[in-house]
Amino acid sequence: KAGVTQTPRYLIKTRGQQVTLSCSPISGHRSVSWYQQTPGQGLQFLFEYFSETQRNKGNFPGRFSGRQFSNSRSEMNVSTLELGDSALYLCASSFVDRISTDTQYFGPGTRLTVL
Amino acid sequence: AQRVTQPEKLLSVFKGAPVELKCNYSYSGSPELFWYVQYSRQRLQLLLRHISRESIKGFTADLNKGETSFHLKKPFAQEEDSAMYYCALSGGETSGSRLTFGEGTQLTVNP
Repeated sequence: KAGVTQTPRYLIKTRGQQVTLSCSPISGHRSVSWYQQTPGQGLQFLFEYFSETQRNKGNFPGRFSGRQFSNSRSEMNVSTLELGDSALYLCASSFVDRISTDTQYFGPGTRLTVL
Repeated sequence: AQRVTQPEKLLSVFKGAPVELKCNYSYSGSPELFWYVQYSRQRLQLLLRHISRESIKGFTADLNKGETSFHLKKPFAQEEDSAMYYCALSGGETSGSRLTFGEGTQLTVNP
C-alpha cells in the first residue's frame, strides 16, 4: 500500500496570508490526525478527523481548522498566518478498530515557513 | 491532563553497549504507551507499543504503572539505532487517535 502523502512538501508564506495543506491517508484508513512539530514545542496534536467529523481537538486557536472528505482525504487550513506558525505539519492516518488506539502512520510533513 | 516526559534530549553510547531511553508519563486513566522513531531523512514510524509486548529491532519496553514509566531498552546498541526517539501516550478509546508526545531523545551510537 502507498503510504501517507502530503502536499505540498514546502511552503513559504507571509504574515497575514492563509494556507491550505493536504493529506491523503493510506487506503482504507478512516482516521486522519494532524500534528505541528517545532523545535521549541515538539510534536503537538492539532485535531483528528474520522468519517468526515472532527473527533478530537488540541489546544490551538481557531485560526487552525480542518476538514475531511468522503474519501478520507483531509485538509488543514491556517488563516491569518503568524511568524510562530512556521513549523513542520505532520499528518497521520490510522484504521481505527475501536478496541485500542491504532498505529498511526505518518506522512513526510509539509514544511511551512512564514516570513 | 496527560503529559509525557523524556528527561534526556541527547544520549550517546558506544556500539555494543546497553542503552536505555527514559520515558515517564502522567495520566489519570489507563493509557496506551508507544515508542516512535525517526531515522535521518525518514518519516516518523512506530517502533513498539506496550500492548503488543513485542521486541522490535532488539528493543523492548515495559510499562510500569507504579512508577508511571515506559523506558525503552536494548542490550547491545548498533550504529543503525542512531535516531530520534519519541515516547507517546494515548488515552485509549476515549481519546480517539490522539497522541501526546514527549520532547524526544536523540540517540547517537558511536562506532
